[in-house]
Amino acid sequence: KAGVTQTPRYLIKTRGQQVTLSCSPISGHRSVSWYQQTPGQGLQFLFEYFSETQRNKGNFPGRFSGRQFSNSRSEMNVSTLELGDSALYLCASSEGPHTDTQYFGPGTRLTVL
Amino acid sequence: AQSVSQHNHHVILSEAASLELGCNYSYGGTVNLFWYVQYPGQHLQLLLKYFSGDPLVKGIKGFEAEFIKSKFSFNLRKPSVQWSDTAEYFCAVNPGGGADGLTFGKGTHLIIQP
Repeated sequence: KAGVTQTPRYLIKTRGQQVTLSCSPISGHRSVSWYQQTPGQGLQFLFEYFSETQRNKGNFPGRFSGRQFSNSRSEMNVSTLELGDSALYLCASSEGPHTDTQYFGPGTRLTVL
Repeated sequence: AQSVSQHNHHVILSEAASLELGCNYSYGGTVNLFWYVQYPGQHLQLLLKYFSGDPLVKGIKGFEAEFIKSKFSFNLRKPSVQWSDTAEYFCAVNPGGGADGLTFGKGTHLIIQP
């Protein structure tokens, strides 16, 4: 099976802009989670989607949002970008909701200038 | 909220040395425990996991981990490391039936010298 794929792999934006990142889960997986990885804060949970519904959300401002489509693909959006949003954004998929084993994609490296 | 502590941020070992990376978590209930590895230039990969049953779990590439409930620990071990084990290692916790995603430790950067 193909692994989790994320597009784009690299992105450069300026402050105030918005960005949309995409994630395609492993075939058959219905749950998608998003994480932010930075050198200072490490890996932090953003949110999880299962069957097109957001099941839970981490401690991030409302500028961070996401959605999941009927084919389980997911997108996350960050509006009004700030310098501190520069990070590696990781997507993980699992067969079921949050207690299942999560498999990670390669990430999207977002740089905000 | 639960937290995960990895005591060693940087570890340098010689090939064939034994490895133990510490991981402690703070959560009083049932937990699912994971170790992930991130090799240079690659994405996070699952090394091993514990959900229930035998507290000594074996993973890929000769790694194992022991869950000690009384100590809230899930230490990673390998009897003899190789240069190819150079990587970042992350311990992660997910409360069984919980709803907060995976909580990760800060990671341990392991360097194996030939």
